Amino acid sequence: EAGVAQSPRYKIIEKRQSVAFWCNPISGHATLYWYQQILGQGPKLLIQFQNNGVVDDSQLPKDRFSAERLKGVDSTLKIQPAKLEDSAVYLCASTGGDRNQETQYFGPGTRLLVL
Amino acid sequence: SQQGEEDPQALSIQEGENATMNCSYKTSINNLQWYRQNSGRGLVHLILIRSNEREKHSGRLRVTLDTSKKSSSLLITASRAADTASYFCATVPPGTGGFKTIFGAGTRLFVKA
Repeated sequence: EAGVAQSPRYKIIEKRQSVAFWCNPISGHATLYWYQQILGQGPKLLIQFQNNGVVDDSQLPKDRFSAERLKGVDSTLKIQPAKLEDSAVYLCASTGGDRNQETQYFGPGTRLLVL
Repeated sequence: SQQGEEDPQALSIQEGENATMNCSYKTSINNLQWYRQNSGRGLVHLILIRSNEREKHSGRLRVTLDTSKKSSSLLITASRAADTASYFCATVPPGTGGFKTIFGAGTRLFVKA
């Protein structure tokens, strides 16, 4: 089966600009996650969707970050305006299907550099 | 917040040696998972151990869990250069719908050929 797809793979922007990331989870996976991974740290959960509903967005900086999953399939994460400290890798993951509801399958990530 | 803390932060060994990484966590858990991340890539799930299990094996991997000490260890036997990566433990606390995963900061393993 195809894995989790993310685009773009790399993005360089200046502070105060806007940026959007896209994720397409594994087909049939109902749960989708966005993580922020700062260099040298583990992934930090930003938002979790179950189908098209938000399950947990407690660590999402809502003044500048937004995410949606309108049709319960692919998702976009937006940052507006970006700050220097947003430089990180943004990882998308999904779980679901019949076999395993707990194992997360990760995409390759989008590496963001804010100058 | 990051609940899991891996130890050591970095580990360098020779090919063929065993590598042991430890993870400590703070709250009770439903399960604990170990993931691997190669440089510039996404994370790959390695193994899951449930709170009522004490040890689990998968190929060259052996995971132990001590819920009384809130700790887990990952042993990689007969390491290979391809095992060079960062290893993260991830916990799933109860009462979070079962799927909220909290990752530690990771152990960076370097296996020298």
